[in-house]
Amino acid sequence: DQQVKQNSPSLSVQEGRISILNCDYTNSMFDYFLWYKKYPAEGPTFLISISSIKDKNEDGRFTVFLNKSAKHLSLHIVPSQPGDSAVYFCAASATGNQFYFGTGTSLTVIP
Amino acid sequence: SAVISQKPSRDICQRGTSLTIQCQVDSQVTMMFWYRQQPGQSLTLIATANQGSEATYESGFVIDKFPISRPNLTFSTLTVSNMSPEDSSIYLCSIQGTLTTTDTQYFGPGTRLTVL
Repeated sequence: DQQVKQNSPSLSVQEGRISILNCDYTNSMFDYFLWYKKYPAEGPTFLISISSIKDKNEDGRFTVFLNKSAKHLSLHIVPSQPGDSAVYFCAASATGNQFYFGTGTSLTVIP
Repeated sequence: SAVISQKPSRDICQRGTSLTIQCQVDSQVTMMFWYRQQPGQSLTLIATANQGSEATYESGFVIDKFPISRPNLTFSTLTVSNMSPEDSSIYLCSIQGTLTTTDTQYFGPGTRLTVL
């Protein structure tokens, strides 16, 4: 039972354009959401998070949007750079409980 | 943030043998976890490593197959016992609860295990 879903296994974007990665969840108790970035042969690296009291959080080129009614979050990367090419995982948790991860979206930024 | 190291980084093992993976953190942390990422799949939580007591295992994972130790607040081991090719995965240690943050999990570099 996959509580966090990333329906796009891959995404290709031109350098300088916007990358939008999507994530859906089913558990309405989730109140904390994170995005991780993973390069091959490395562990996931924390990128950005958002709590359910917000609908947007921005950190430099990265912005996460949360739509609680739709149980949907997205990560926007603007402008996209070749170094952003990696697998991106979204994760969700209910406070104090375990994290659930999506299956990942492989982003390729084309120079 | 805390620095997390894992040993070994990768290994190739024979069926029926066991491998112990070490996770070392450079500062004390509240919680340590072990995950598995099978090829093409998401990260699956194996267990929470509890300091000084038995680990808490998720559904589908048992202590006999994945014994875990956590003798202190900076170190944990995961053993993959009696391995089969289905155990070929990336095994990841993660931490939560550092001096600077309590809500976010941070991951080690992972151990890539191949079982022949």
